[in-house]
Amino acid sequence: AQSVTQPDIHITVSEGASLELRCNYSYGATPYLFWYVQSPGQGLQLLLKYFSGDTLVQGIKGFEAEFKRSQSSFNLRKPSVHWSDAAEYFCAVGEPAGTALIFGKGTTLSVSS
Amino acid sequence: GAGVSQSPSNKVTEKGKDVELRCDPISGHTALYWYRQSLGQGLEFLIYFQGNSAPDKSGLPSDRFSAERTGGSVSTLTIQRTQQEDSAVYLCASSPRTSGHTGELFFGEGSRLTVL
Repeated sequence: AQSVTQPDIHITVSEGASLELRCNYSYGATPYLFWYVQSPGQGLQLLLKYFSGDTLVQGIKGFEAEFKRSQSSFNLRKPSVHWSDAAEYFCAVGEPAGTALIFGKGTTLSVSS
Repeated sequence: GAGVSQSPSNKVTEKGKDVELRCDPISGHTALYWYRQSLGQGLEFLIYFQGNSAPDKSGLPSDRFSAERTGGSVSTLTIQRTQQEDSAVYLCASSPRTSGHTGELFFGEGSRLTVL
């Protein structure tokens, strides 16, 4: 069965500093991978997705993620964090021929000034 | 509307009562999902509808939970004899997914259920 692990429950980053949020998945083949963001009082919004091809994917709001098959990871990065990036971030995995996306438990990002 | 609409946005009920939560997906989206979001637990998959196919109910936690989707559009999630552990935000999502692909999910803002 698929599973997703986000090892960090809460991360605090200074504004302007770089960010990396970790995501590890368990799946037998090449999965479909996603990062979603949930801002306070908002619904979940897709940041980026990986289906195949180039392992470095670009998303909205300056985010990127890299798929590393050997490490079963899909870490989210941003070179310079803005205060508006404070939110909860969810990694998700799906099967190409499967049904539901399976989500991790999320990482809460706080941005300090 | 332009997005996924859920109602009510907030629901407070007493233990043992039944509740119904409604989801109106984006027009034309064939796939509809229900998830439950509890504090510190992430998003727990509940049920998935795709077109006229039989729904995937594998995530429903007990037989007190059920869902239907009428006319391939609006969906209702029903929780019977609510318990305090049912308190959570219930999220609905839709997707223009076609068979064999996992497309982007578009989420509603959720229905927050509090069971006293």
